[in-house]
Amino acid sequence: EVQLVESGEGLVQPGSSMKLSCVASGFTFSNYGMNWIRQAPKKGLEWIALIYYDSSSKYYADSVKGRFTISRDNSKNTLYLEMNSLRSEDTAMYYCAKGSEQDYWGQGVMVTVSS
Amino acid sequence: DIQMTQSPSSMSVSLGDTVTITCRASQDVGIYVNWFQQKPGKSPRRMIYRATNLADGVPSRFSGSRSGSDYSLTISSLESEDVADYHCLQYDEYPYTFGAGTKLELK
Repeated sequence: EVQLVESGEGLVQPGSSMKLSCVASGFTFSNYGMNWIRQAPKKGLEWIALIYYDSSSKYYADSVKGRFTISRDNSKNTLYLEMNSLRSEDTAMYYCAKGSEQDYWGQGVMVTVSS
Repeated sequence: DIQMTQSPSSMSVSLGDTVTITCRASQDVGIYVNWFQQKPGKSPRRMIYRATNLADGVPSRFSGSRSGSDYSLTISSLESEDVADYHCLQYDEYPYTFGAGTKLELK
């Protein structure tokens, strides 16, 4: 059974940093690209980043480019999202999703940026 | 960036209805459109992939179609469990982009 479990939820102040993790199981993690997708409260979904299976390429939404970094550790079956210079508009539920086809999603973690 | 214009934003529906939700892509995205269902407090669930393919475990009353740059999700004979939010996504070109979403509500 495919499982994606995010962690790192929390409340942080504007300008600070935070790192999210997504632990994968039930499939060969090292064979798949992975996404981060977020959803602000009462808003739609926003794709924010993708990393290739071998970390050779990474892509970002303009809204997070230069502030967020996607990475992975295939030996630990883990995807990461490092978030710097956080803004109030980054407040959202953050989901990891498997593959370019987004066939499985994690349960999400809430990130709140507020003073 | 590619814009996915989703309509309607909300829809009042009755059980047994046939419901169609549409996304129009601002440029060619080929077959690379997925549809997701999201219930309150839950993660999105993929319903349709590559525009017309039914995802695993999804009831056959759901279908996806394409006409030019218009992509549609159709639910035939709506059931109560189908009342949810629906989102389209283009993944032909980075950055991937979602439609704004459609909320189905029971009359």
